[in-house]
Amino acid sequence: AQSVTQPDIHITVSEGASLELRCNYSYGATPYLFWYVQSPGQGLQLLLKYFSGDTLVQGIKGFEAEFKRSQSSFNLRKPSVHWSDAAEYFCAVGERDMRFGAGTRLTVKP
Amino acid sequence: GAGVSQTPSNKVTEKGKYVELRCDPISGHTALYWYRQSLGQGPEFLIYFQGTGAADDSGLPNDRFFAVRPEGSVSTLKIQRTERGDSAMYLCASSSGQGVDEQYFGPGTRLTVT
Repeated sequence: AQSVTQPDIHITVSEGASLELRCNYSYGATPYLFWYVQSPGQGLQLLLKYFSGDTLVQGIKGFEAEFKRSQSSFNLRKPSVHWSDAAEYFCAVGERDMRFGAGTRLTVKP
Repeated sequence: GAGVSQTPSNKVTEKGKYVELRCDPISGHTALYWYRQSLGQGPEFLIYFQGTGAADDSGLPNDRFFAVRPEGSVSTLKIQRTERGDSAMYLCASSSGQGVDEQYFGPGTRLTVT
């Protein structure tokens, strides 16, 4: 069965510092992988997705993620975090019936 | 253009009552999805429509939950004999229906069962 694990419940980084959010998945075939962001009172917004091809994918707001099949991982990165990046981040796997991780809450220190 | 809309934004009901939650997808989107998000958790898949038919309802937790999409546009999630454990944010999403494509989420309906 497909599933997603986000090992970090809460991460705090300083503004301007780099960020990496971890995501591990379990999926029987070539996975369709997604990262979504959810701000308080806002709907889920897609940051980026991986279906096939280049394993380093670029997304919106300066985010990128790297698909590593050998590690079953799809970690999200950003070189320099902005205060507005504070939000909840969800990794998801699947086609139409997406399976989401429990999320990682990002706090940004000034 | 307009995004996915959901009404009401908040719903408080008493245990045992019946509720309906509505979703208006993006115009032209043939695929529609319902998810449930409990506090501190990620969204949990409930059901997926392609057109008017439920293509996958494997996520519905029990027979108290039912969803319809009679004209292939607006969808209604119906919950009978509500229980306190049904309290959650109910999210709707839509997509173009062409292959595996981006799901656009609505703001959700916060359901509280007292």
